[in-house]
Amino acid sequence: DTAVSQTPKYLVTQMGNDKSIKCEQNLGHDTMYWYKQDSKKFLKIMFSYNNKELIINETVPNRFSPKSPDKAHLNLHINSLELGDSAVYFCASGLTGELFFGEGSRLTVL
Amino acid sequence: AQSVTQLGSHVSVSEGALVLLRCNYSSSVPPYLFWYVQYPNQGLQLLLKYTTGATLVKGINGFEAEFKKSETSFHLTKPSAHMSDAAEYFCAVSPPFSGGGADGLTFGKGTHLIIQP
Repeated sequence: DTAVSQTPKYLVTQMGNDKSIKCEQNLGHDTMYWYKQDSKKFLKIMFSYNNKELIINETVPNRFSPKSPDKAHLNLHINSLELGDSAVYFCASGLTGELFFGEGSRLTVL
Repeated sequence: AQSVTQLGSHVSVSEGALVLLRCNYSSSVPPYLFWYVQYPNQGLQLLLKYTTGATLVKGINGFEAEFKKSETSFHLTKPSAHMSDAAEYFCAVSPPFSGGGADGLTFGKGTHLIIQP
């Protein structure tokens, strides 16, 4: 049983389109995160949700909108995709730094 | 603000040799410290963590790290490298007592470990 699962694993799309990535965790954690990993493997936190409430929004463009219908799910919707959005997006859940990561969703914007 | 510096974007060692991956942090208070490993096309996996207490911490797959406050370091070591250790390694920090951990982690830029046969 996968602890943190995200779908889809790959997205290829054109500039200007909208896309969503879904994430679910079955670990019972209250806190979930979205991280972006760029082509140089650098990881940066985008959002943190604690029990469905937004805690961090690290200067992410408002084209990115997280939604948490319940504490086991944290989805990421991206509007008007740009070339610079191409990256791997990781969902994670956990507490006090001990995070469990999904396998990532590789977004390619053409 | 906290930051992490990993010295060496690529480290190459021979199979059976000592692995040493360096990590230095900057923080106004002693942070929580972590090492994560990322295998190709996978998510990150926790190797080990330091929060409080014993400064030498042991993790999975034979790795260990030592917290040295005077040097603001948390270097990762393994006595004998195995081919399966080839991966990307990330050092990370979080604020201590962060009220539930919702502050997330600040990662270093990663070190790519190459194991030579």
